Amino acid sequence: AQTVTQSQPEMSVQEAETVTLSCTYDTSESNYYLFWYKQPPSRQMILVIRQEAYKQQNATENRFSVNFQKAAKSFSLKISDSQLGDTAMYFCAFMGDDMRFGAGTRLTVKP
Amino acid sequence: DAGVIQSPRHEVTEMGQEVTLRCKPISGHDYLFWYRQTMMRGLELLIYFNNNVPIDDSGMPEDRFSAKMPNASFSTLKIQPSEPRDSAVYFCASSPMDGPLRYGYTFGSGTRLTVV
Repeated sequence: AQTVTQSQPEMSVQEAETVTLSCTYDTSESNYYLFWYKQPPSRQMILVIRQEAYKQQNATENRFSVNFQKAAKSFSLKISDSQLGDTAMYFCAFMGDDMRFGAGTRLTVKP
Repeated sequence: DAGVIQSPRHEVTEMGQEVTLRCKPISGHDYLFWYRQTMMRGLELLIYFNNNVPIDDSGMPEDRFSAKMPNASFSTLKIQPSEPRDSAVYFCASSPMDGPLRYGYTFGSGTRLTVV
């Protein structure tokens, strides 16, 4: 079974700074997808960014980018120019037969 | 599109009572998923459907939990009888046939269940 590990329960960053959230996973599959979801206090799960394992190029979505290291089974999320609205729980997810989530990282952006 | 719609948003019930959570997936989506979120266990997949048929219910914790999808636009998750340890946020999510791998899931706003 696939497992997803987020080793940072909590992180904080100053507004406008850059922060990186870590995620590692374990799988024997060669083709899969990885996702980062954001869960603000409203509780809504919002897709932030996705990465296809067979693509070497790291995905980017505006201020959000990933560092995908397939051999190391690592999938970190970088948030540039952090904004107060980025304060949320962030979940890393692995998609094989179904989607499995990490435990989450609570990010606080400080003014 | 209105997105995935869940009801109620909050539910408080007494131990032993039956609880029914409801979900309307996005029109045209073939997959429907039920997740449970707790502080201790995070997000757990309970069951998922493909074209209204349950595919994997291995995450359903006990026989007290049951889920149905009578048609493509409606699903229920029922707990009977409910217990305090069932208190959690329950999410429904949906995805189109070629969507899960490529686009992930679209989640509803969740139902916060409190069993007292």
